[in-house]
Amino acid sequence: DAMVIQNPRYQVTQFGKPVTLSCSQTLNHNVMYWYQQKSSQAPKLLFHYYDKDFNNEADTPDNFQSRRPNTSFCFLDIRSPGLGDAAMYLCATSRGLAVNEQFFGPGTRLTVL
Amino acid sequence: QKEVEQDPGPLSVPEGAIVSLNCTYSNSAFQYFMWYRQYSRKGPELLMYTYSSGNKEDGRFTAQVDKSSKYISLFIRDSQPSDSATYLCAMSASNAGNMLTFGGGTRLMVKP
Repeated sequence: DAMVIQNPRYQVTQFGKPVTLSCSQTLNHNVMYWYQQKSSQAPKLLFHYYDKDFNNEADTPDNFQSRRPNTSFCFLDIRSPGLGDAAMYLCATSRGLAVNEQFFGPGTRLTVL
Repeated sequence: QKEVEQDPGPLSVPEGAIVSLNCTYSNSAFQYFMWYRQYSRKGPELLMYTYSSGNKEDGRFTAQVDKSSKYISLFIRDSQPSDSATYLCAMSASNAGNMLTFGGGTRLMVKP
């Protein structure tokens, strides 16, 4: 089945210790997104890639970086996690930029100690 | 004030009830409206997609948009325990843009 896969599903890191979250897709979609969703809050778009073109949201902190080495994989790097970065991180993909075509992965829940 | 407001709930109903979920918004430029269902520890799943004002029906689900009141609704008929989830509304001003503005979600519990 074509799908969006996120690893790990749960990640625990220490305050200030860099962490990388992974997303892969078998849909061959052009666009990949990273969202941050804090408890009982709306998902917040951090950035997206259209092919290799990186688009950062204006209010995404510099502490968050992303890499897309190929069509299938996209990584979220948090350089120095703070307690406020504890959240669910959702990866989504879409063929194009149509708003109704985003397919979400199951998310990675990040805990910062 | 948030751009999209949604009552967080939880909303608890008995099995078979009609459920009404709602969002209000402030940006009159929004034209594309979506409802997502999010089960615990899973990613959001698109349920309904509508453009501009009007109704759209899909099985037990009906989405309504009233742009004049900046108000959207999702109705679930004959609710089932499997409908228990968080429902997120989302909207966008453009169909070709990537920017979705989400509501905070309403947690629904359908009791057998």
